[in-house]
Amino acid sequence: DGGITQSPKYLFRKEGQNVTLSCEQNLNHDAMYWYRQDPGQGLRLIYYSQIVNDFQKGDIAEGYSVSREKKESFPLTVTSAQKNPTAFYLCASKSGGGRTDTQYFGPGTRLTVL
Amino acid sequence: GQQVMQIPQYQHVQEGEDFTTYCNSSTTLSNIQWYKQRPGGHPVFLIQLVKSGEVKKQKRLTFQFGEAKKNSSLHITATQTTDVGTYFCAAPANQAGTALIFGKGTTLSVSS
Repeated sequence: DGGITQSPKYLFRKEGQNVTLSCEQNLNHDAMYWYRQDPGQGLRLIYYSQIVNDFQKGDIAEGYSVSREKKESFPLTVTSAQKNPTAFYLCASKSGGGRTDTQYFGPGTRLTVL
Repeated sequence: GQQVMQIPQYQHVQEGEDFTTYCNSSTTLSNIQWYKQRPGGHPVFLIQLVKSGEVKKQKRLTFQFGEAKKNSSLHITATQTTDVGTYFCAAPANQAGTALIFGKGTTLSVSS
């Protein structure tokens, strides 16, 4: 919250299906991020985007895809290639491109693949 | 690649006791940030440290950045039940600072 929305809060999918998680921000931030959180693993970076129509892989990009067609939106697709997709997914944004800029997180989407 | 180690992973205290979590890096950090995540919630920014040896306080929370800028700590004095949650440190993942790398976090539980 605080200008970043993620929906839905809980999502259930069958194994083998692709699923897209939404992330929208009205903070006019340039940079946006996707993290995955598993118990005891902290936050692991999946993808990030510094500017519209550009994005970079994070540490665990395999099995995921993103797009950044608009500044406000950074959807994440969890594909069937992701071996263990059940997790808590967090989207974040940052106003600047500097090292001292802080990140603002959305409320997260808890994905369960059955 | 860049790694940030955080200890302990879990800490349980009685209300009123102090609590400390530590963050260590093998490389010099340009800055370090601390976030708090309440149970069921999302990480919220607490503070950023930039200068060598910097100490900042927020009420009962004291944040320190080591002289060599390779370690940091968060100390909570006289914990309260409202302090429960997971505390993460985070540092720039690259020179440009376009991404952060997070420690695995310390989960604090407090019993009254």
